Order: sequence, then structure tokens, then C-alpha cells
Amino acid sequence: QVQLVESGGGLVKPGGSLRLSCAASGFIFSDYYMSWARQAPGKGLEWVSSISNSDNTIYYADSVKGRFTISRDNAKNSLYLQMNSLSLEDTAVYYCARGGFVPLDSWGQGTLVTVSS
Amino acid sequence: EIVMTQSPATLSASPGERATLSCRASQSVSGNLAWYQHKPGQAPRLLIYATSVWATGIPARFSGSGSGTEFTLTISSLQSEDFAVYYCQQYNSWPRTFGQGTKVVIK
Repeated sequence: QVQLVESGGGLVKPGGSLRLSCAASGFIFSDYYMSWARQAPGKGLEWVSSISNSDNTIYYADSVKGRFTISRDNAKNSLYLQMNSLSLEDTAVYYCARGGFVPLDSWGQGTLVTVSS
Repeated sequence: EIVMTQSPATLSASPGERATLSCRASQSVSGNLAWYQHKPGQAPRLLIYATSVWATGIPARFSGSGSGTEFTLTISSLQSEDFAVYYCQQYNSWPRTFGQGTKVVIK
């Protein structure tokens, strides 16, 4: 079955950086768009970024454009999110999800990123 | 950016009752509309895509309808496990956008 496991979350100071990873299994990773979404405390779901299966097409939400970079390694069945210049507003649970061009049909359990001084 | 607006924000209902959740898009999304269920501490789950198509394993008591800018998720008879937050999402254009969610609570 499809499994997505995020890692790399934690506590970081404003202006700092963090790299999230997502290990995928149970499907042919290289066949799918992949995405990141997040949920800030007390807020709803927010789409963050998507990357095509061949990684030559990438999309970002305006709120993270220029600060976050999505990437993937199809040989390792892994998705990444490099987050720079983090602000308090980036505090959230970050989810890895399969899809993006089409609906997000499988999601990981999420990893918590806390930005605080 | 397409803005998705859900109503009501909170829906109070009893088990066995019918629940109707609404989602409005600021411009047409054609039929490219999905619904997700999210419970605290769990991964969100895709319920419906392409407005009315069940995702894998979703019970028939969930149904979706609509077109253009107006969409509805109906739960025909609420079960205890259905009390959760529900989000609509458009995937017709970038950036992908979610509604703010409807929380279904036990009356």
C-alpha cells in the first residue's frame, strides 16, 4: 500500500532553514506528481508546492515562493522541501502528498515545523 | 488565484442525520473539484474527486455534486466516524487552493 513518511521537522529560529524529507513506498514514485501542503495551528489546509514526476515543472504558493525549494530524487523514492528564511507564519504541520496535477490521493502523517525565537 | 469559500463553518448534526456541505469558487473550476476529510492527528483523506467520483474505499453515503462554481458534499446518514473537518480543493488552475473547511460536530 502507499506509504509516505515525512521527517526533518523541528524547532528553528526566525530566519533559519530546515529541510524536510518524504520517503515514499508502495507505488512507482517516478510516475507521480508530488506535493507539500501544510496546516498552521488552528488553521485550514494550505497547498505549498508541487513538482512533476520528471521534476522539470514546479509550482509554489505565493506565500513561499523565493524561500522554499521543492525537489525529488526518483532513484531514492524521496521528496524534499528546502525551507529558508523561515518566519513565524511558517509554523505548521507539513504534509507530503501524492498528486498535485490531480487531487492529492495519499498523504503522510505530517511533520511539525515550529518557528520560534 | 481562485478563492474557495465553504459554508457553513460549523455544522452541528446528530448521527443518522443528513449533512450538506457547500463550496463556492470565485471563478469556474469546471469539474476539477475534490473533497477531503481531516481528523485531528491524522493524515487528510481524499473522499471525492472530479466533483462526484468516489476515491478508493470511500463509502457510498458520501456523494458530491455541482458544476462551475457551486459544489456540494452530502453525507446521507452521519456515522460517528464522520465527525471531522471537510475541505474542498480546486485543481483546475495554479495555485491549487483549499476552502477554509467545514467542521462537522455532534449535536
